[in-house]
Amino acid sequence: EIVLTQSPDFQSVTPKEKVTITCRASQSIGSSLHWYQQKPDQSPKLLIKYASQSFSGVPSRFSGSGSGTDFTLTINSLEAEDAATYYCHQSSSLPLTFGQGTKVEIK
Amino acid sequence: QVQLVQSGAEVKKPGSSVKVSCKASGGTFSSYAISWVRQAPGQGLEWMGGIIPIFGTANYAQKFQGRVTITADESTSTAYMELSSLRSEDTAVYYCAGGGGYCGGDCYFYYFEYWGQGTLVTVSS
Repeated sequence: EIVLTQSPDFQSVTPKEKVTITCRASQSIGSSLHWYQQKPDQSPKLLIKYASQSFSGVPSRFSGSGSGTDFTLTINSLEAEDAATYYCHQSSSLPLTFGQGTKVEIK
Repeated sequence: QVQLVQSGAEVKKPGSSVKVSCKASGGTFSSYAISWVRQAPGQGLEWMGGIIPIFGTANYAQKFQGRVTITADESTSTAYMELSSLRSEDTAVYYCAGGGGYCGGDCYFYYFEYWGQGTLVTVSS
C-alpha cells in the first residue's frame, strides 16, 4: 500500500499570503496524484488532477507541481473562502490512498 | 454534468449490515468508476473499494475485504455499498465518488470528479 504523508497537518494563514502544502509518497507514483478541498460538512471537491492539471472551474490561485514521490499544492494569495482541509490522493495503484489532510485556517 | 445522489442517514446496531445507494444522473453510468470513500468523525478520507460497471468487477481495500460488497445496477444507474458485521468504529460518513477508470487484467481508478452528498451511518447499541 502506498502511504501519502502531508505536511504540515495544520496551517494558520493571513489572507493574501501564499500557502504551500506538500505530499510525499512512500514510493514513486509518477504523476498520479490529485488534490481535493473539503470544507466543513461538505463533500470533497477536486482541485488538481495528475499533479499539476487544474480541474475545470477551480480558481487560478490553486496550482500543483511535482512527480515521483514529492508533490506540492500551492495557494497563491489566500482568500477567506479557502479555509478548508486539503487532501492528496494517489491513483497509481490499488488500494487508492489519501494523505491525512492539511487543515488551513484563516487568521 | 454528472450528479451522484445518495440514500439517507442510517442508524444500525452492532453486528448488523447497512446498504447505501448512490444514484447517478447526467452521464454514462456504465463507463464511470464508482468508489466508496468513508470519513469517520473528525478523521480523514479512506477508500473502501470501487467498481467500474461496464467491467463488472469490484475491487476492495484489504481492510474491508470480506465485509464490504460493492455492486452496480446499470438499469437504474445506481451503485450500492453494503457493509456487514458493523461495529462502532464503522460510524462515519460514507461517500460515493465517481471518475474515470478501466480494467485490463487489473483495474485502474482515476481521480474523483464527482462526489455524492455523503450518508451518515451511525452504529450504536
